[in-house]
Amino acid sequence: AQKITQTQPGMFVQEKEAVTLDCTYDTSDQSYGLFWYKQPSSGEMIFLIYQGSYDEQNATEGRYSLNFQKARKSTNLVISASQLGDSAMYFCAMREGRSGAGSYQLTFGKGTKLSVIP
Amino acid sequence: DTEVTQTPKHLVMGMTNKKSLKCEQHMGHRAMYWYKQKAKKPPELMFVYSYEKLSINESVPSRFSPECPNSSLLNLHLHALQPEDSALYLCASSPLDWNTEAFFGQGTRLTVV
Repeated sequence: AQKITQTQPGMFVQEKEAVTLDCTYDTSDQSYGLFWYKQPSSGEMIFLIYQGSYDEQNATEGRYSLNFQKARKSTNLVISASQLGDSAMYFCAMREGRSGAGSYQLTFGKGTKLSVIP
Repeated sequence: DTEVTQTPKHLVMGMTNKKSLKCEQHMGHRAMYWYKQKAKKPPELMFVYSYEKLSINESVPSRFSPECPNSSLLNLHLHALQPEDSALYLCASSPLDWNTEAFFGQGTRLTVV
């Protein structure tokens, strides 16, 4: 079973509008971290925002925020005031809070390609 | 310094060549990773080193040989690769804690001819 599911292969958004990228996850661990990365066509994976399983408030970082619904096991990324430079692949990822090597692994979803239209 | 530096950025090699990819970080991270990413796919974990020791090998063929000479350096030695090994190879590092992000390098775009 997939641990991270991103159901939107591609999304379009008008410049200056907000967009929500969906991510659901599957884990039986109580401790886990959820991450969003942006990958432009250049290839670099850029860390955007983090949500921990024990965090009671939704994470925010500038124009990025998360809608974290723990009971539904979802952590959707909201990008406000989209810019042309936001066009990229966006990956949701998870690290599970196990001991030893089990906590090292960062598991990725399949990604969502966001295109910002002028 | 929050950078992970990978060299080279691009590499073209023949199937009989031997080459190495290099990765360096100076953030004091004790976990380092190699990922392979094919076009339009998510990164796939290949190897994890923790405290300079191999912790995870995701059943990677032996033509890929990782090496961690010290806490700042990670190499991936390549030998007798196949055209299907052409991909973007990403190096990453992180603290060992599950609630910390991994930092990625810009990757090496490898083409096997």
